[in-house]
Amino acid sequence: AQSVTQPDIHITVSEGASLELRCNYSYGATPYLFWYVQSPGQGLQLLLKYFSGDTLVQGIKGFEAEFKRSQSSFNLRKPSVHWSDAAEYFCAVGAGYTGGFKTIFGAGTRLFVKA
Amino acid sequence: GAVVSQHPSRVICKSGTSVKIECRSLDFQATTMFWYRQFPKQSLMLMATSNEGSKATYEQGVEKDKFLINHASLTLSTLTVTSAHPEDSSFYICSGRMNTEAFFGQGTRLTVV
Repeated sequence: AQSVTQPDIHITVSEGASLELRCNYSYGATPYLFWYVQSPGQGLQLLLKYFSGDTLVQGIKGFEAEFKRSQSSFNLRKPSVHWSDAAEYFCAVGAGYTGGFKTIFGAGTRLFVKA
Repeated sequence: GAVVSQHPSRVICKSGTSVKIECRSLDFQATTMFWYRQFPKQSLMLMATSNEGSKATYEQGVEKDKFLINHASLTLSTLTVTSAHPEDSSFYICSGRMNTEAFFGQGTRLTVV
């Protein structure tokens, strides 16, 4: 069965420091991978996605993620965190099934940014 | 990117009443829409998948008679929480699929009192 694991429930980083959020997936075929960000009480905003090709993908707000098939990982990175980056981050895999395609989310990682 | 509009953003209802939440794809046709539920500080749990013109497919453990889903057109899906109880209070999010990407609404905060 398809699944997504985000090992870190929450992470605290200092403003200006680098960030890496971990994501591991389980999927039998080539996955479609996504990172979303959610501010409190809000919907989801897509940060970036990987479908195929270059394994290092660039997203919005200075985020990037690297797909590593050998490690079944899709970690999100940002070289310098801003206070406005504090939010919940979800890794997701797009999973095909009979008749369609659905998105399966990880448990999320809450990012705290300290001054 | 494509836009999905969800309405209302917040609703408070009395226990025992029904509440309808609308999900519209504004600039694309969504043959498939998904409904998620999110408890505080938790992830999004897929409730059901609705395909235009056919019955929704519910995930295991989701009561289809309680959470009625209608997908009558390519741009509109509705979720009706029937006979709502306080334990139904949650954040509900819809998404419309275009090709291999899902676009999410802003969510509806349902509070049942």
